Amino acid sequence: EAGVAQSPRYKIIEKRQSVAFWCNPISGHATLYWYQQILGQGPKLLIQFQNNGVVDDSQLPKDRFSAERLKGVDSTLKIQPAKLEDSAVYLCASSLVNYAYNEQFFGPGTRLTVL
Amino acid sequence: AQSVTQLGSHVSVSEGALVLLRCNYSSSVPPYLFWYVQYPNQGLQLLLKYTSAATLVKGINGFEAEFKKSETSFHLTKPSAHMSDAAEYFCAVSDRGSSGDKLTFGTGTRLAVRP
Repeated sequence: EAGVAQSPRYKIIEKRQSVAFWCNPISGHATLYWYQQILGQGPKLLIQFQNNGVVDDSQLPKDRFSAERLKGVDSTLKIQPAKLEDSAVYLCASSLVNYAYNEQFFGPGTRLTVL
Repeated sequence: AQSVTQLGSHVSVSEGALVLLRCNYSSSVPPYLFWYVQYPNQGLQLLLKYTSAATLVKGINGFEAEFKKSETSFHLTKPSAHMSDAAEYFCAVSDRGSSGDKLTFGTGTRLAVRP
């Protein structure tokens, strides 16, 4: 079974530029998550989708971050404009169903550096 | 809100020695608890999870963890460390809220294994 795919793996941009990350979850997984992992910290949930609907985006900085999951499959996370503090690894994860004890499967992440 | 605290951001052991990584949780309801491992430049991988069945949980790669309600702890152990265990380990708690399986991670413990 193929895992969670993410691209690009690395991205370097100047502050105030825009950037987009792509995620393709495991086939059949209804729930998709985007996490931000700042160096030295644990991952922090940015947004959670159930199929193509948003379940939780309470920690998403909506003035600059946006995400969509059209057709309930792959997803795109965008930052516009980027700030220095957005430098982090952005992890995508998916799970089969939205249960509290369910395992989340993580992609390799996209490492963003904002200069 | 539920949270986890990982004591010790860095732990170093000799190959063959006992591994003990500490995690304490804060929760007003019986929690679901997880340990994830992250190897360099990779996503997170589930080691084990506690879902209110047996208090001693066995995971992959010889790791296990014991849920102790009286101590609000879920420490991760392995009897004999191997060089391949060098990685970062995250404890996480699941929020049984209306959003289902939202994970809150600790800040992580980096394990180094000395030859």
